[in-house]
Amino acid sequence: QVQLKESGPGLVQPSQTLSLTCTVSGFSLTSYNVHWVRQPPGKGLEWMGRMRYNGDTSYNSALKSRLSISRDTSKNQVFLKMNSLQTDDTGTYYCTRDRVYYGLVFDYWGQGVMVTVSS
Amino acid sequence: DIQMTQSPSSMSVSLGDTVTITCRASQDVGIYVNWFQQKPGKSPRRMIYRATNLADGVPSRFSGSRSGSDYSLTISSLESEDVADYHCLQYDEYPYTFGAGTKLELK
Repeated sequence: QVQLKESGPGLVQPSQTLSLTCTVSGFSLTSYNVHWVRQPPGKGLEWMGRMRYNGDTSYNSALKSRLSISRDTSKNQVFLKMNSLQTDDTGTYYCTRDRVYYGLVFDYWGQGVMVTVSS
Repeated sequence: DIQMTQSPSSMSVSLGDTVTITCRASQDVGIYVNWFQQKPGKSPRRMIYRATNLADGVPSRFSGSRSGSDYSLTISSLESEDVADYHCLQYDEYPYTFGAGTKLELK
């Protein structure tokens, strides 16, 4: 069955770099795009960026200077790295998938990982 | 970036109500709008895709509609399990953008 699972540190110090991993199963990273979406506590969802099935990336322009998304298809993993973290980067980070042509946009999500930016 | 203006931000509802939540897109996004339900501490769940299509396993009391640049999610005969936050998403172009969310609360 389709699964996505985020992993990474729960606490990051201000100005440091956040590194998260999304490990997927039940589908291929070379057929589906994988996206990162975050949600500050009590607030709405924000699209961060995408790893396309062919290895291309797209980023939210508000985060582009700090954000990098990569992957290891042999390990079925997509990685997020974001530097210069501040307290307003605190929130839950999700990975999700899409295959727009087939109408499969964000049909499966990981359980999310809560990240707190604090000293 | 395309703005998705979602209203209302919160709504006080009763069981059995018919509830409508709307997102207005700042430019044409065609049919490329999804609706998600999110319960506290849980991941979003896709409810409606391509503006009007019911996702697998979603009860038929949920429906999606479009009128021009306005997209609506309607819940008929609200049940207790429907009390949650709801989000719209446009995926016509990057960056994908979400509405600010609607919180349903029981009266």
